[in-house]
Amino acid sequence: AQSVAQPEDQVNVAEGNPLTVKCTYSVSGNPYLFWYVQYPNRGLQFLLKYITGDNLVKGSYGFEAEFNKSQTSFHLKKPSALVSDSALYFCAVRDPSSGNTPLVFGKGTRLSVIA
Amino acid sequence: GAGVSQTPSNKVTEKGKYVELRCDPISGHTALYWYRQSLGQGPEFLIYFQGTGAADDSGLPNDRFFAVRPEGSVSTLKIQRTERGDSAVYLCASSLTSRTGPYEQYFGPGTRLTVT
Repeated sequence: AQSVAQPEDQVNVAEGNPLTVKCTYSVSGNPYLFWYVQYPNRGLQFLLKYITGDNLVKGSYGFEAEFNKSQTSFHLKKPSALVSDSALYFCAVRDPSSGNTPLVFGKGTRLSVIA
Repeated sequence: GAGVSQTPSNKVTEKGKYVELRCDPISGHTALYWYRQSLGQGPEFLIYFQGTGAADDSGLPNDRFFAVRPEGSVSTLKIQRTERGDSAVYLCASSLTSRTGPYEQYFGPGTRLTVT
């Protein structure tokens, strides 16, 4: 069965510093990987995805993520954090080789960017 | 363009009552998903529609939960004999086809259900 782990419940970073939100996954085949962000009282917003090809994918709002197959990781990164980046971040995985499987989400990581 | 919309945004009901939650997906999206998000957790899959049919309902917790999408657009999630444990935010998402494709899902703002 596919699964996602976000080992940090909370990440604190100073404004202007680089940020990393960690994600590791477990699937039997090659994964499709996604990052979503959730602001208070708002729905999840798509940030970026990895399907195939270049291991470094770039998404919305200056975020990027690096797919590392050997470490089964897909960490979210941003070179310079903004206070407005403070939100709840979810990593999700789908294993397309397993047929009719839903998107599986991690528990989420709360990012707090301090001015 | 218009995103996924969900109504109502909040619903408070008494234990044992019946509720309906509505989702209006992005126009042209054939795939529609329902998730449930409890406090401190990520969204948990409930059911997936491809067009009018439920392609995967393996996430529905029990037979009190049911969903329909009669014309392949708007969907309604129905919960009978509600229990306090049903309290959560119910999220709807839509995407282009298909169930194993790489298409990202677009989420609505959710319906916060509180069962008293």
